[in-house]
Amino acid sequence: GQSLEQPSEVTAVEGAIVQINCTYQTSGFYGLSWYQQHDGGAPTFLSYNGLDGLEETGRFSSFLSRSDSYGYLLLQELQMKESATYFCAVRDRVNTNAGKSTFGDGTTLTVKP
Amino acid sequence: GAVVSQHPSRVICKSGTSVKIECRSLDFQATTMFWYRQFPKQSLMLMATSNEGSKATYEQGVEKDKFLINHASLTLSTLTVTSAHPEDSSFYICSAPRTDPNQPQHFGDGTRLSIL
Repeated sequence: GQSLEQPSEVTAVEGAIVQINCTYQTSGFYGLSWYQQHDGGAPTFLSYNGLDGLEETGRFSSFLSRSDSYGYLLLQELQMKESATYFCAVRDRVNTNAGKSTFGDGTTLTVKP
Repeated sequence: GAVVSQHPSRVICKSGTSVKIECRSLDFQATTMFWYRQFPKQSLMLMATSNEGSKATYEQGVEKDKFLINHASLTLSTLTVTSAHPEDSSFYICSAPRTDPNQPQHFGDGTRLSIL
């Protein structure tokens, strides 16, 4: 089976840097993804790590250590609009359009002025 | 633009009604699609995997007779909530993965189902 752990809540001020950690225990692993979800909306893709190391996309970065079963999402220069829930998700296999993702419980980020 | 289209976005209906939700992949073929359900302030829970040309695979605890899935073509999967009751009220989201694992898993915009 799959289980993922991430903090339930994080608070930061506008312009700051925040890191959201995710640890996972999975029977199979292909990659770790991060999604952002605003209230009432569907998840939107932020970043993906298939290999160890850092992936950078503008102000967002994501890191993966497969040996530690650990990853994090780093958000820099926080903006108020980035108050949302952030999910880490593990894709457990790749097999002809398969590769379902299991999601963590989500981290609610509150950005304060 | 969107690569997965989900319709309708919101449904409000009486208890006992059956509701059909459609999920389409817009610019790629998806032999597999996933259906998730999300209750308020909770994570996405996988309900079932929709397989084109074969039966859907349901997660443990999900009633297959309650949640009928049909994957009629390489771009369309439907979820029908049969004889819906208030406890079925939830946010239903479909997803269609690409073959390339380095491509993100795209989600539809979700369907908010409210059963009165």
